[in-house]
Amino acid sequence: EVQLVESGGGLVQPGGSLRLSCAASGFTVSSNYMSWVRQAPGKGLEWVSVIYSGGSTYYADSVKGRFTISRDNSKNTLYLQMNSLRAEDTAVYYCARGKSSSSHAYYFDYWGQGTLVTVSS
Amino acid sequence: QSVLTQPPSVSAAPGQKVTISCSGSSSNIGNNYVSWYQQLPGTAPKLLIYDNNKRPSGIPDRFSGSKSGTSATLGITGLQTGDEADYYCGTWDSSLSVLYVFGTGTKVTVL
Repeated sequence: EVQLVESGGGLVQPGGSLRLSCAASGFTVSSNYMSWVRQAPGKGLEWVSVIYSGGSTYYADSVKGRFTISRDNSKNTLYLQMNSLRAEDTAVYYCARGKSSSSHAYYFDYWGQGTLVTVSS
Repeated sequence: QSVLTQPPSVSAAPGQKVTISCSGSSSNIGNNYVSWYQQLPGTAPKLLIYDNNKRPSGIPDRFSGSKSGTSATLGITGLQTGDEADYYCGTWDSSLSVLYVFGTGTKVTVL
């Protein structure tokens, strides 16, 4: 059974840092493309970052230069290092497994339960 | 700032049908497949439809998807109280600022 379990959220002051983890089971993280998606309180979904099976990484402009996505293959775990945090980064952060059935066909078939990050003084 | 536009809300009585539209552009829906996600209150999103019109295992055929040009549509027939949720469309985007985009979200209310 595929499972994704996030952890590491919490309250942090503006300008601070936090590292989120997403422990996966039932599949191999390094063989899939994995993303982080966030949802601000009462708002919609926003894609944040992706790491491909080959190791390439991409970010939304809103977090580029501040967030870093990575994975530990030995722990089958995905990470999101968040630096220089701002109030507008406050959100529930979900990790999600990505799938591609063909060129131009991408979707997220499994999601974690999410972890709340609150940036406030 | 979602680039895919959905109606904020739709509603219908139990047993009826609702449709949710998702409007985009050539950089996203126009050249990529669309997926749909259901988010029940207080829970994580769940994949409902992928590749425009395919259902993952376990998703009832009451849910259907279609795409035409730069728009996509989710249909729900035989509406049930358990369908009350937020629904989001999503697709790849070829712009430089973001790789994947979601719709603004639609709240489905069962009257």
